[in-house]
Amino acid sequence: GAVVSQHPSWVICKSGTSVKIECRSLDFQATTMFWYRQFPKQSLMLMATSNEGSKATYEQGVEKDKFLINHASLTLSTLTVTSAHPEDSSFYICSASVLEQYFGPGTRLTVT
Amino acid sequence: KQEVTQIPAALSVPEGENLVLNCSFTDSAIYNLQWFRQDPGKGLTSLLLIQSSQREQTSGRLNASLDKSSGRSTLYIAASQPGDSATYLCAVARDDYKLSFGAGTTVTVRA
Repeated sequence: GAVVSQHPSWVICKSGTSVKIECRSLDFQATTMFWYRQFPKQSLMLMATSNEGSKATYEQGVEKDKFLINHASLTLSTLTVTSAHPEDSSFYICSASVLEQYFGPGTRLTVT
Repeated sequence: KQEVTQIPAALSVPEGENLVLNCSFTDSAIYNLQWFRQDPGKGLTSLLLIQSSQREQTSGRLNASLDKSSGRSTLYIAASQPGDSATYLCAVARDDYKLSFGAGTTVTVRA
């Protein structure tokens, strides 16, 4: 139980385009989902907290207009990287919370 | 702000040796502490979760201790195997479930 999926697992896009990443809790409902990014050989940094039916809460230093988060249902949250640039290339991981956090497999974004 | 530190950053041992991974945190007001495993290019696998009221948790060859007052946790892996090679992350949770991660310890077990 407590499986979280992410789609796509990897994506390559051109600079200036937007990319949407989906995070789904497959066998449970999660009122809260979290989005993290991870640079090579570094740890996970929390980007934002996503609550179903309300606006996401962003961590300090994270541009809310660049990283749009939508939590439309208790099983789905999406992260859209708008006007992506090469410095946005990273590993993005989501988690869904039910007392503890269950993590998705991650999405590797490469912006060329 | 919670700061989580993991020492050492990297560790290489021969197969069969016991592993000791250390994690320290600056704010003792935690909800729980988790140890995760991450393989290269992959997501996180939860290994052990210790509630703030607990002192240790065990699962198979893994044992994690928690000393909240001193801000420390230790992960012990007994009789290491090459399949244990991975990066191990420590994370502490606040009561709003937000996690603060350490930078990880990368373990290599030599056959």
